[in-house]
Amino acid sequence: AQSVTQPDIHITVSEGASLELRCNYSYGATPYLFWYVQSPGQGLQLLLKYFSGDTLVQGIKGFEAEFKRSQSSFNLRKPSVHWSDAAEYFCAVGPANEKLTFGTGTRLTIIP
Amino acid sequence: DTGVSQDPRHKITKRGQNVTFRCDPISEHNRLYWYRQTLGQGPEFLTYFQNEAQLEKSRLLSDRFSAERPKGSFSTLEIQRTEQGDSAMYLCASSSWTSDKFGTQYFGPGTRLTVL
Repeated sequence: AQSVTQPDIHITVSEGASLELRCNYSYGATPYLFWYVQSPGQGLQLLLKYFSGDTLVQGIKGFEAEFKRSQSSFNLRKPSVHWSDAAEYFCAVGPANEKLTFGTGTRLTIIP
Repeated sequence: DTGVSQDPRHKITKRGQNVTFRCDPISEHNRLYWYRQTLGQGPEFLTYFQNEAQLEKSRLLSDRFSAERPKGSFSTLEIQRTEQGDSAMYLCASSSWTSDKFGTQYFGPGTRLTVL
């Protein structure tokens, strides 16, 4: 069975500081991995995805993520956060074009 | 792309009533998914379609829930005899097999259901 763990329920960082959100997954084959962001009351917006190839993937809004097979991790990073990055972040795993399994999310708060 | 749209955005109903939600996927996408998200949780898979065929249903989808995609375009999700536990955000997503968007699910804004 596939599963995703996001160990950090809530993270607070100062504007301009760096950010890393953790994601660990369990999946029987080569995973398709995703990071989505959700603002309050809204749907999910895709930040980035990993299917194969280069293990460091670039996404929108200056985000990147690194796939580490040995650690079953797909952590999201940003070198300098902006106040507009405050939101809920979800990691997801699944086969292509089939159901996704999501983590419980990490809520990001930005302080001035 | 015009994006995935959902209607209504909000629905308040009384316990025991039936409700129906609509999802319009991105036009060239042949797969359509429904998820449910409760407060403080990530989305949970309910069901998905390829064209008009329903390929998989979660055990979360009790017999009070039914989903259809009659012409392989828009989809409806109906909940009969609503219960307070059905209160949640219902999210729709779609995906395609074309190379540049392969396997990526694009989500709509969701329908927020409140059962009183």
